[in-house]
Amino acid sequence: DAMVIQNPRYQVTQFGKPVTLSCSQTLNHNVMYWYQQKSSQAPKLLFHYYDKDFNNEADTPDNFQSRRPNTSFCFLDIRSPGLGDAAMYLCATSRDDQTQYFGPGTRLLVL
Amino acid sequence: EDQVTQSPEALRLQEGESSSLNCSYTVSGLRGLFWYRQDPGKGPEFLFTLYSAGEEKEKERLKATLTKKESFLHITAPKPEDSATYLCAGRSGKLIFGQGTTLQVKP
Repeated sequence: DAMVIQNPRYQVTQFGKPVTLSCSQTLNHNVMYWYQQKSSQAPKLLFHYYDKDFNNEADTPDNFQSRRPNTSFCFLDIRSPGLGDAAMYLCATSRDDQTQYFGPGTRLLVL
Repeated sequence: EDQVTQSPEALRLQEGESSSLNCSYTVSGLRGLFWYRQDPGKGPEFLFTLYSAGEEKEKERLKATLTKKESFLHITAPKPEDSATYLCAGRSGKLIFGQGTTLQVKP
């Protein structure tokens, strides 16, 4: 089945220690998104790639970076995680910015 | 400013007790109203997209409708497995999510 895969599902890191979350997709979609979702809150868009074009949201902290080495993979790098960065990180994909399909998420814990 | 508001925040139903979830939106140049289901600790699962007022879509016990200001998710004869958080999102450029309605269906 075509799907969006996120690894790892759970990630524990230390305050200030860089961490990378990964997302892969077999849907052959050209747009990939990263969202942050805190407990009982709506998902918040951090950035997205439309093909190779990177689009950053204005309020996304500089601490968050992303890479998309090819169509299938996208990475979220958090350079210096703070306690406030503990959240569920969701990857989503779409064809030409139409319906978005989400992965299962990575829950990040910062100690 | 674009905004999506869902009500109620939480809803408890008995199995078989039909009800509706509300999604009010002010999204300029709306290019789709989306409904997702989210189970605890998982990513949102796509349910429906509605594009124009008067449009309706159905899937099993769920039916989504759209007016110029609101969308409703009607749940007919719900079962305990319908328990989840239901998210509504409007799209102009990016998706604007509501806070969600957490539905609990008791047997």
